[in-house]
Amino acid sequence: QMQLQESGPGLVKPSETLSLTCNVSGGSTSTSGYYWGWVRQPPGKGLEWIGGINYSGSTYFNPSLKSRVSMSIDTSKNQFFLKVTSVTAADTALYFCAREVLYTYYDSSGYQDLWGRGTLVTVSS
Amino acid sequence: EVVLTQSPGTLSLSPGDRATLSCRASQSVDSYLAWYQQKPGQAPRLVIYNASNRATGIPARFSGSGSGTDFTLTISSLDPEDFAVYYCQQRSTWPPGYTFGQGTKLEIK
Repeated sequence: QMQLQESGPGLVKPSETLSLTCNVSGGSTSTSGYYWGWVRQPPGKGLEWIGGINYSGSTYFNPSLKSRVSMSIDTSKNQFFLKVTSVTAADTALYFCAREVLYTYYDSSGYQDLWGRGTLVTVSS
Repeated sequence: EVVLTQSPGTLSLSPGDRATLSCRASQSVDSYLAWYQQKPGQAPRLVIYNASNRATGIPARFSGSGSGTDFTLTISSLDPEDFAVYYCQQRSTWPPGYTFGQGTKLEIK
């Protein structure tokens, strides 16, 4: 059974870059029909979609974060990655990686069917 | 950008009751709406996709309905494990991406 697990520093200083890894086990990130994405949740608040990437490296991002976000994927290791630059306290959140059922990023139907447990990232000096 | 508004904000019910949760979109999203359940300290769990399809492993007491701008998640007879926060989510093709509603907290009365 496929599982996702986030990892990365729990504390990042303001203006620095947040970097997270999602390790996928029990399956392959090379399969078409899926994107691999990130969703975050500030403490006590709701969910915000960040972006997604597929096996070929095609990416798409939340317009509100697009200027600061990048993603990459290493299908040989079944890992994908998130970077958020110039972080502020507003980026403090629980970050989830998730599998998106989605063939192309312009498809009408898509949703996240598998999620990691999440990793808390705090932005503070 | 499509805005999703969920109601009520909090719903207080007892085990065995019927729960009806609402999600309204600011413009039509056809049937491209999903529902997620989130318990404290856990990741969201997909419950319903494409408005009315139950996700794998979701009990039959959960059902989704609606299209266009008005959607409903119904839990026919609440089990103690169903008390959680529920989010609706829509899929947008331009700009491509997802937005979530603000959530409905389903709490034990």
